[in-house]
Amino acid sequence: KAGVTQTPRYLIKTRGQQVTLSCSPISGHRSVSWYQQTPGQGLQFLFEYFSETQRNKGNFPGRFSGRQFSNSRSEMNVSTLELGDSALYLCASSLGPSNTDTQYFGPGTRLTVL
Amino acid sequence: AQSVTQLDSQVPVFEEAPVELRCNYSSSVSVYLFWYVQYPNQGLQLLLKYLSGSTLVKGINGFEAEFNKSQTSFHLRKPSVHISDTAEYFCAVTESRGATNKLIFGTGTLLAVQP
Repeated sequence: KAGVTQTPRYLIKTRGQQVTLSCSPISGHRSVSWYQQTPGQGLQFLFEYFSETQRNKGNFPGRFSGRQFSNSRSEMNVSTLELGDSALYLCASSLGPSNTDTQYFGPGTRLTVL
Repeated sequence: AQSVTQLDSQVPVFEEAPVELRCNYSSSVSVYLFWYVQYPNQGLQLLLKYLSGSTLVKGINGFEAEFNKSQTSFHLRKPSVHISDTAEYFCAVTESRGATNKLIFGTGTLLAVQP
């Protein structure tokens, strides 16, 4: 079974631009979460989606948004990019929203903001 | 709120030696505990998790961890490491009775295995 797929793998943007990252979960998985990983802040939770509904949101500004489609694929968008948004963005999928369900992580999208 | 502390940012060890990576957590509620590994340029892979039951949990690649409620710890151990174990290891928690699978991660420990 294919793993979690994230596209693109690498992205370079300039300040003020916006970006959309995509995540395709493992087939049959309906829950998707997003995390930001930076050397300074480590791994921080961004969002959690299940059945196209956002169930939880981390402590990030409104420039960070996301959504989930009916096929469970998810996208996250960052508007008005800042230098500090440079990070590895990781997507994780699980069968359902239960915290006992194992979360499987994708390889991430590395975003560089110049 | 929960928090996770991994005091060791880096642990150097020789090949075939035993290793322990420390993890302490803080929470006012009951939690589930996880260890993830991240190899260079890859995502996170689950090594093992503690939900309930036996406090000694065995995972993949010969790793195991012991949940100690009184010391609020969940240390990861391996009796004999290989070069291929070189990676970053993250301890994480989630609230056991919460309506979310949000993970709170520690800052990570880089395990550097030397020949």
